[in-house]
Amino acid sequence: EIVMTQSPATLSVSRGERATLSCRVSQSVSSNLAWYQQKPGQPPRLLIYGASTRATGVPARFSGSGSGTEFTLTISSLQSEDFAVYYCQQYNNWFTFGQGTHLEIK
Amino acid sequence: EVQLVQSGAEVKKPGESLRISCKVSGYSFTSYWINWVRQMPGKGLEWMGRTDPRASYTDYSPSFQGHVTISTDKSISTAYLQWSSLKPSDTAMYYCARHGGQNPTPDYWGQGTLVTVSS
Repeated sequence: EIVMTQSPATLSVSRGERATLSCRVSQSVSSNLAWYQQKPGQPPRLLIYGASTRATGVPARFSGSGSGTEFTLTISSLQSEDFAVYYCQQYNNWFTFGQGTHLEIK
Repeated sequence: EVQLVQSGAEVKKPGESLRISCKVSGYSFTSYWINWVRQMPGKGLEWMGRTDPRASYTDYSPSFQGHVTISTDKSISTAYLQWSSLKPSDTAMYYCARHGGQNPTPDYWGQGTLVTVSS
């Protein structure tokens, strides 16, 4: 079973600042890693797949990096609409989600 | 426009059966897999299983194997998630989502179906 560990659980950042979210995987998933954003009362929204490819319509301030077992989502300059919960997900072997990072306004 | 429209909220008693649906439009139903994802109240996302409507193939997360059944009706472009005997622990929001083609992971999602199981 592949285990996804996201850190931190909660991240407090001010508008305009950079946010860095981490995801560690228990075994290598190559670049088969996606990031999702979820706001209250909404389904998840795909942001990044292939570890670093932005999905259609995703602003350039969102970027992903990493491969193997260590991955990072960076939001370069936080906007009000970016405060949400972020999940990493591997799709190398079925699908597994991390437990989420809650990005809140500082 | 790609849409996945799920059936409405359900309130059921323990032991009852239930089938919820996910009707797709805006693309060929048999060209993409349909996944089901659970989100318990205040918790994260859990992948339950997926089905390939073209091949009528389905597989499940080990955590959900034997507890739910995923099926499809190609004639009406609809996928289903069903339980034969609900438990209070099945209370959750359930999402369907498609993946396939150029999209190796779910890109379009349904709006969710809230299932509440309570005596």
